Amino acid sequence: DVKVTQSSRYLVKRTGEKVFLECVQDMDHENMFWYRQDPGLGLRLIYFSYDVKMKEKGDIPEGYSVSREKKERFSLILESASTNQTSMYLCASSLGQGSNQPQHFGDGTRLSIL
Amino acid sequence: AQKITQTQPGMFVQEKEAVTLDCTYDTSDPSYGLFWYKQPSSGEMIFLIYQGSYDQQNATEGRYSLNFQKARKSANLVISASQLGDSAMYFCAMREGPRGYGGATNKLIFGTGTLLAVQP
Repeated sequence: DVKVTQSSRYLVKRTGEKVFLECVQDMDHENMFWYRQDPGLGLRLIYFSYDVKMKEKGDIPEGYSVSREKKERFSLILESASTNQTSMYLCASSLGQGSNQPQHFGDGTRLSIL
Repeated sequence: AQKITQTQPGMFVQEKEAVTLDCTYDTSDPSYGLFWYKQPSSGEMIFLIYQGSYDQQNATEGRYSLNFQKARKSANLVISASQLGDSAMYFCAMREGPRGYGGATNKLIFGTGTLLAVQP
């Protein structure tokens, strides 16, 4: 089974802090994704990566950056955390080939910015 | 622009009954894929079922089936014989994006979800 591991289930940070959310997958997937989930809005794509050192903006990249130095690891960075970034953050991965490949998700990180 | 619409914010169903969760989509791409995910209160997203736009038959996976009506652009999830453990949020999603970079990037756009409550 695919395992996508997010480093924290719950995280509390202060405004202005630089925040790192880590995600690791163990299935050699090419694609990795970061979403945030807010009530009534579903999942919204922040950034994704289709290869090491490659990244592309999703629908809501403002205030975030990402890093993919190794194939298995995809990090989301909040450069200067703000209260409106309080949310559930979900990481996912998928194979690069095959249009029917589902994304596999981690358990999520509930981030609170105070 | 591609879009997924789930019009039912919440639903109740009696245990052992079947339930249909609605999903409509909008795309101009002739090739696309539709996914359903389940999210229990614990938060993890669980992949349930996939339907490709060129698939001739409706997808089925155990108690889950997908009522795919291409002309109406709908991909409703049907859960047969509901169980208490089916209580969760359900998301419909559509694969979008080019198949460049040597393969599909498999970007998904998600609907806003339907909260299903199964009553004993």
